[in-house]
Amino acid sequence: SAVISQKPSRDICQRGTSLTIQCQVDSQVTMMFWYRQQPGQSLTLIATANQGSEATYESGFVIDKFPISRPNLTFSTLTVSNMSPEDSSIYLCSVILAGDYNEQFFGPGTRLTVL
Amino acid sequence: LAKTTQPISMDSYEGQEVNITCSHNNIATNDYITWYQQFPSQGPRFIIQGYKTKVTNEVASLFIPADRKSSTLSLPRVSLSDTAVYYCLVGVSGGSYIPTFGRGTSLIVHP
Repeated sequence: SAVISQKPSRDICQRGTSLTIQCQVDSQVTMMFWYRQQPGQSLTLIATANQGSEATYESGFVIDKFPISRPNLTFSTLTVSNMSPEDSSIYLCSVILAGDYNEQFFGPGTRLTVL
Repeated sequence: LAKTTQPISMDSYEGQEVNITCSHNNIATNDYITWYQQFPSQGPRFIIQGYKTKVTNEVASLFIPADRKSSTLSLPRVSLSDTAVYYCLVGVSGGSYIPTFGRGTSLIVHP
């Protein structure tokens, strides 16, 4: 099991600004992911956060819009840049623990509203 | 990348057994099948995982036929608190793992 914290839990931001979301895990992890989930929709994978190197982005997501850092095994940040109302969503951090096999643990999410 | 197909929604009543089937025709030899449950305003939560045949834990059973092109999550005697969205994923962890969630199945349990 793992305890995953995300900060902030929610925020209301103005158009054109940026927000950085932090994800901290209390266990060693092998893989970290960032997802977006809009109301009533499934989860959409944004990227895989790679330790010490550039994240691997999924189709439709780019580094300039969603820069991601992962300086160590247990911490990652996702920045939503130059926000617009379309970025309003819940952003979720997810991990697979070292020694585990595909079981993903999810953070509580960050609810972002862009005005 | 194995895609998954599930029914969009299901309805049931308290005390009944619920079976949710997921199709994954392009599953690879090394892929595992994992099911998650998500309540509103929470992240998904792991329910069960399997590779073949049958797996059972304290909350559910997972049935996987020999060809592994589908899987069925079985929830015995559901209660109102089982109302949630259920997702199946296929894949194997490692450098190439891309855990992609499909649309999921919205299960509503009625009194």
